[in-house]
Amino acid sequence: SQQGEEDPQALSIQEGENATMNCSYKTSINNLQWYRQNSGRGLVHLILIRSNEREKHSGRLRVTLDTSKKSSSLLITASRAADTASYFCATDAVGQGGKLIFGQGTELSVKP
Amino acid sequence: SQTIHQWPATLVQPVGSPLSLECTVEGTSNPNLYWYRQAAGRGLQLLFYSIGIDQISSEVPQNLSASRPQDRQFILSSKKLLLSDSGFYLCAWSRPGNQPQHFGDGTRLSIL
Repeated sequence: SQQGEEDPQALSIQEGENATMNCSYKTSINNLQWYRQNSGRGLVHLILIRSNEREKHSGRLRVTLDTSKKSSSLLITASRAADTASYFCATDAVGQGGKLIFGQGTELSVKP
Repeated sequence: SQTIHQWPATLVQPVGSPLSLECTVEGTSNPNLYWYRQAAGRGLQLLFYSIGIDQISSEVPQNLSASRPQDRQFILSSKKLLLSDSGFYLCAWSRPGNQPQHFGDGTRLSIL
């Protein structure tokens, strides 16, 4: 079954608001990664959080990881119209040789 | 710096025709290489991954095959395309180990 499941499937906010996306997974992981995909393009890696880390920041992005709940969240602060994209979590599960299992994604729309 | 090239960007093929999609990576050696397929509005499905020349693993049984004739070249092929092969195909590379993946811009394949 799919390792990563994301919530919500779609999110629509106004510019300047914060956007929070959640990801749940089922098995032990080495790390969890977040990617962004603009329509019709390839994915772009945003941030990687290792299983022994609880929080990580990169610019306006904040990622948390709770291994006891097998969940992660991505927070985008002060969103901009240019943040409009699909966001995917991907898990690097233990014993899988570095292969990633992607969730179905959250489609974020930021209205100006 | 490393770059990944994937072509063609779009392809329209009749049912039963052959397929060859090519992906090359520059600026790194011995990368892990991946082929994914993405259905509309969905997450990524891993098709093949390779940790070296002649080391290719298939994740999903289907009428597709992959080859790695050179260290930084990964080819996705089919002898006879099916309607169900339509989709968005993405190539990616990563450094060995639990590392982020870097994606090409994808090929939109339509089967008529």
